[in-house]
Amino acid sequence: DAGVTQSPTHLIKTRGQHVTLRCSPISGHKSVSWYQQVLGQGPQFIFQYYEKEERGRGNFPDRFSARQFPNYSSELNVNALLLGDSALYLCASGQGRHNSPLHFGNGTRLTVT
Amino acid sequence: AQKVTQAQTEISVVEKEDVTLDCVYETRDTTYYLFWYKQPPSGELVFLIRRNSFDEQNEISGRYSWNFQKSTSSFNFTITASQVVDSAVYFCALSEAESNFGNEKLTFGTGTRLTIIP
Repeated sequence: DAGVTQSPTHLIKTRGQHVTLRCSPISGHKSVSWYQQVLGQGPQFIFQYYEKEERGRGNFPDRFSARQFPNYSSELNVNALLLGDSALYLCASGQGRHNSPLHFGNGTRLTVT
Repeated sequence: AQKVTQAQTEISVVEKEDVTLDCVYETRDTTYYLFWYKQPPSGELVFLIRRNSFDEQNEISGRYSWNFQKSTSSFNFTITASQVVDSAVYFCALSEAESNFGNEKLTFGTGTRLTIIP
């Protein structure tokens, strides 16, 4: 079975631009979460979507938004990019149950110049 | 608020030595889950173990073992007879079991970079 897939792998954007990151969960998983990992730090929770509804949001500004599609894939959008948005963005899929672990993708490395 | 502390930023050991990675957590919840993830240079977070707060039994999986002590709020990870392939960044994480998120909202520590010297 395919794991969590994210695209693109790498991305370079300029301050003020907009970016869209994509994630496809493991087949059968209905939950997708997004995490931001700044260099040298642990991942920080941004969003969780389950069955196409937002179930949680971390401490991120409104420039960050996300959505989940009927096939459970997800997009993370970031508007008005800042230099501080440069990070590895990780997508994780899960079954939304306490007894199942999250499975992470390889991430999208975003560089804002 | 939840917090996970991994005080060891970087550790280097010679191959075949044992190494222990420390993790201390803070939470007000009585029910919670603890995790360890491995992050190789490729960037993907690889799940290693999940432990719930009611299960204080130590666990061993091959060369890996975990020591959960609720009294000291610690969940330490030991690699026995380390190998070069164990080189990676290791993260400890915590989630609330009773939240609306299930296991999806994890609070991570800052990670420990482990280097195994051949």
